[in-house]
Amino acid sequence: DAGVIQSPRHEVTEMGQEVTLRCKPISGHDYLFWYRQTMMRGLELLIYFNNNVPIDDSGMPEDRFSAKMPNASFSTLKIQPSEPRDSAVYFCASSLPGLAGVDTQYFGPGTRLTVL
Amino acid sequence: TQLLEQSPQFLSIQEGENLTVYCNSSSVFSSLQWYRQEPGEGPVLLVTVVTGGEVKKLKRLTFQFGDARKDSSLHITAAQPGDTGLYLCAGRHNQAGTALIFGKGTTLSVSS
Repeated sequence: DAGVIQSPRHEVTEMGQEVTLRCKPISGHDYLFWYRQTMMRGLELLIYFNNNVPIDDSGMPEDRFSAKMPNASFSTLKIQPSEPRDSAVYFCASSLPGLAGVDTQYFGPGTRLTVL
Repeated sequence: TQLLEQSPQFLSIQEGENLTVYCNSSSVFSSLQWYRQEPGEGPVLLVTVVTGGEVKKLKRLTFQFGDARKDSSLHITAAQPGDTGLYLCAGRHNQAGTALIFGKGTTLSVSS
């Protein structure tokens, strides 16, 4: 399998613009997670899906952020309008529940977002 | 509130030295994982520990889960430059599928 695929790898945009990040999870995985990583706050969970249904979006910072998973092989994270404080590396991860309630999350390479 | 505290935050050592990094919490976790992240890449799972007191070895890396399942340590013997990276611990309170809580990580630099 190709692993988790994210696009674009780098995005530079201006404040106020809409940004869409894309993720293709590993085939057969039924959990998908969106994280944001910064030096100050580390790796933070934004939202996660189970079988395409959002389960917990309590980590989404504000209404400017939205995420969708229209099917098992695709998810988007949208920021509208973007602000400089949204600059971070955004990771997508997918997993398949394993034995004894333990699973492995497989991370994509991330999208480095810079908002000017 | 940072539920998982990692220490030290940064560590710079010479090749061949031993080191230990720590992951501490006041909460009990059902399982705890260690990930390593290299620049420009996503975290990659190293190990999962589930039982209190459990010790797992992965070549020169030794992972231990505290008896009370609130803390964990990672010990590296004879560090190599290839061990350089960000080490993250992540805990889960409940069964699989619920959120992982990540620590901020320990950045390790091993120079030759």
